[in-house]
Amino acid sequence: AQSVSQHNHHVILSEAASLELGCNYSYGGTVNLFWYVQYPGQHLQLLLKYFSGDPLVKGIKGFEAEFIKSKFSFNLRKPSVQWSDTAEYFCAVIPNAGKSTFGDGTTLTVKP
Amino acid sequence: EAGVVQSPRYKIIEKKQPVAFWCNPISGHNTLYWYRQNLGQGPELLIRYENEEAVDDSQLPKDRFSAERLKGVDSTLKIQPAELGDSAVYLCASSSAAGGPRETQYFGPGTRLLVL
Repeated sequence: AQSVSQHNHHVILSEAASLELGCNYSYGGTVNLFWYVQYPGQHLQLLLKYFSGDPLVKGIKGFEAEFIKSKFSFNLRKPSVQWSDTAEYFCAVIPNAGKSTFGDGTTLTVKP
Repeated sequence: EAGVVQSPRYKIIEKKQPVAFWCNPISGHNTLYWYRQNLGQGPELLIRYENEEAVDDSQLPKDRFSAERLKGVDSTLKIQPAELGDSAVYLCASSSAAGGPRETQYFGPGTRLLVL
């Protein structure tokens, strides 16, 4: 069965620090990869997604993610976080012939 | 443009009672999803509709859960009877069918269910 693993459950950073959140998945076929974010009191919304082409994808608010096929990974990065990035981040995998699977999320707290 | 609408936002019931959740997707979105999100976990897909057809309901506990999407627009998810373990947030999402699994899912605010 396919699965998504987000190893960091809670990350605490100071403003201007760099961020990397891990996401690994298990699935043997072609996948579409997503990062969603949920800011406090808001709905889940898309940060970025990858399905083909350049494995380094850029999303909103300065976020980017890199797909490394050999490692089954799709890590999220941001060079300098802001207090407003405090949120919960979810990695999701949707195979071309399968169901949506989300990781358990990483809570990011950015200290001003 | 209005987003995905869900009601009610909160529901408290006693175990063994029935409960229903309603979702109205973004206009024009053919694909509709119901997810359950337990505390501290990510959303878990319960069922996916393409128009009126349920194309993936393998995770739906069919002994007590049912769903329908009449006319291919809004949808209802029902639990009867509810159990303590059903306490969770029930999320509805919709997407355009054009890109299939590559499409962005747009989520509603969810219904927070507490079963006592």
